[in-house]
Amino acid sequence: GQQVMQIPQYQHVQEGEDFTTYCNSSTTLSNIQWYKQRPGGHPVFLIQLVKSGEVKKQKRLTFQFGEAKKNSSLHITATQTTDVGTYFCANQGAQKLVFGQGTRLTINP
Amino acid sequence: NAGVTQTPKFQVLKTGQSMTLQCAQDMNHNSMYWYRQDPGMGLRLIYYSASEGTTDKGEVPNGYNVSRLNKREFSLRLESAAPSQTSVYFCASSWTSGYSYEQYFGPGTRLTVT
Repeated sequence: GQQVMQIPQYQHVQEGEDFTTYCNSSTTLSNIQWYKQRPGGHPVFLIQLVKSGEVKKQKRLTFQFGEAKKNSSLHITATQTTDVGTYFCANQGAQKLVFGQGTRLTINP
Repeated sequence: NAGVTQTPKFQVLKTGQSMTLQCAQDMNHNSMYWYRQDPGMGLRLIYYSASEGTTDKGEVPNGYNVSRLNKREFSLRLESAAPSQTSVYFCASSWTSGYSYEQYFGPGTRLTVT
């Protein structure tokens, strides 16, 4: 499957600051899914992006799919302590997903 | 609906012991998956089953076997546990037809092999 590289691996912010995680591939991605995993929990689906240049918003979260479908990003505006966790992107292949390594977000209240 | 359930939640094994991790879903999904998660490694696919009666290897299948018992249940077996198999194991399920392949995860099994 197509590998996806996620950066940064870790990010620590002050509450109220913005946060962005990036997902990159050297080849064209079919579509991208984003998941959130709270500490000690399991991954939970957030969103799927399919179209080139697609932008979707969920409250303070903005998801983008690059024009060339080789990268994606998740941006959180004005982080809150409830945003703590690890965010994963995943490329949808034939009948399975290939996950990035994740970005672990910690927040100083 | 319970979604995806996994048993046990925690397990400690000695090297060489065997065990089976159980997974069941009640969403009538056709596909099921087993992942392992190690610190800093993300989620790595061990095996998956695209439909009842089929199973395929994922990225890290060595040391594991699976059985898709029926549409609801997908088990993962460790025949001779090794310390390198200490990890958190997640089962997931999804549809793999139509628009979205969104996966639903179980709560995980935390396995330690000493």
